[in-house]
Amino acid sequence: EIVLTQSPGTLSLSPGERATLSCRASQSVSGNYLAWYQQKPGQPPRLLIYGASSRATGIPDRFSGSGSGTDFTLTISRLEPEDFAVYYCQQYARSPPHTFGPGSKVDLK
Amino acid sequence: QVQLVESGGGVVQPGRALRLSCAASGFTFSRYPMFWARLAPGKGLEWVSVISYDGISKYYAESVEGRFTISRDNSKNTLFLQMNSLRAEDTAVYYCARNPIPTAYYYYLDVWGKGTTVTVSS
Repeated sequence: EIVLTQSPGTLSLSPGERATLSCRASQSVSGNYLAWYQQKPGQPPRLLIYGASSRATGIPDRFSGSGSGTDFTLTISRLEPEDFAVYYCQQYARSPPHTFGPGSKVDLK
Repeated sequence: QVQLVESGGGVVQPGRALRLSCAASGFTFSRYPMFWARLAPGKGLEWVSVISYDGISKYYAESVEGRFTISRDNSKNTLFLQMNSLRAEDTAVYYCARNPIPTAYYYYLDVWGKGTTVTVSS
């Protein structure tokens, strides 16, 4: 089973700043089968990125994903007030279970 | 539009059972693999289970293997999660979600329901 770790646990930033979130896998994620989700309190998760770098439908271009192998990054170029949330990565390579990372919280500085 | 609506959550005593349902609409349900995931209080998202489009293949997280059973009724566009021998650590909001592609392969979760809350407490 592939184990994902995310860093930092919490990132305190101001609107307009750049957020860089990391997701590291215990084994290579074949096919770059890695997704990113955003979750706000009381809401279901929202898919942001799939295939490591493809934006889901309706996701603003300030969100971008990159990386391959075991190291992946989600970048929010300029934080908007609505972007303060928890972000999870998930791998979907090989057979299930397709684990999530522990999450990174972006909160207001 | 694509919609998933969970139901069946509630308060249940440890050791008891509960069955969750997820009603799907707006897409051809019988062609898509479907998932359950959960968010426990103060914890992160957890992938729980997936079922193939035809209901034949099923996979579970280690934490629920042997206690939870995923199933589907394609004639009623409904996904189920039978939860037996419930524990306090199963307390969570349970979400159903859809595979992005009507295929035999399991990908990410592209459409999510709003969730149903399960509380396991005496």
